[in-house]
Amino acid sequence: EDQVTQSPEALRLQEGESSSLNCSYTVSGLRGLFWYRQDPGKGPEFLFTLYSAGEEKEKERLKATLTKKESFLHITAPKPEDSATYLCALTTTDSWGKLQFGAGTQVVVTP
Amino acid sequence: ETGVTQTPRHLVMGMTNKKSLKCEQHLGHNAMYWYKQSAKKPLELMFVYNFKEQTENNSVPSRFSPECPNSSHLFLHLHTLQPEDSALYLCASSQDLQGAWGTDTQYFGPGTRLTVL
Repeated sequence: EDQVTQSPEALRLQEGESSSLNCSYTVSGLRGLFWYRQDPGKGPEFLFTLYSAGEEKEKERLKATLTKKESFLHITAPKPEDSATYLCALTTTDSWGKLQFGAGTQVVVTP
Repeated sequence: ETGVTQTPRHLVMGMTNKKSLKCEQHLGHNAMYWYKQSAKKPLELMFVYNFKEQTENNSVPSRFSPECPNSSHLFLHLHTLQPEDSALYLCASSQDLQGAWGTDTQYFGPGTRLTVL
C-alpha cells in the first residue's frame, strides 16, 4: 500500500533558526513529489514539484530535495511569515492525477 | 479573477438541505479535482475530471454528486449530508492529468468551509 509520512508533526522555530521537514514515501513507482504550503482556512499554495532523485529546487528561504525514499524541505533563516502547514504529496506512474497527501508539518516561527 | 475561485466560501446546511458548491478555474487547464480536508486528516481526493469527463470517483457516497459542464467549471451538489461531512472542500485544477513534467501540478482554490448541522 502506498504511504506518505511527514515528520515532525509540528515544529516550533525561533526566527533565523534553520531546520528541515521530512517526507518519506513507499510507493511502487513515483511520478512526481509536490510540496505545498497551507495557511489556516485557506487552500494549499503550490511550492515545488520534484520528479527525479537528486533533483533540488529553491525559492527564497525554501529548498526542496528528493531521494529515492524521501524528500526534504529545508527552511533557511525562517521568518514569522513562514509559519504555515507544509504539505507533501505525490503521484505515481499508475495513478493519473491522484495526489496522495501526507498529514503535514505545522511550522510556527516566533520572533 | 485569476487562478481557481470557489463559492461560497462558507456554507451551513441542515441534513435535509440541498446545496451546491461552485469552482471556476481561469488558468486554461483541462483537469479539475474535488478534495475533502477534515480536521486531523490528510487531504482526500474525491473526484477527478479530465476534459469534462469523470475519470475518478474515490468511493465517494452518492450524497455528493459532481458536475463538470466544461473544462473551466466544476460543481459539487450536496444532498442529505451527515454531520461528519463537515469539512473544508477544495477544488483544484491542472493543465493535464499526467503529461509532460510540470503539466500535472495542481493549483488549489481557497476552499468552501462546510458545516452540516
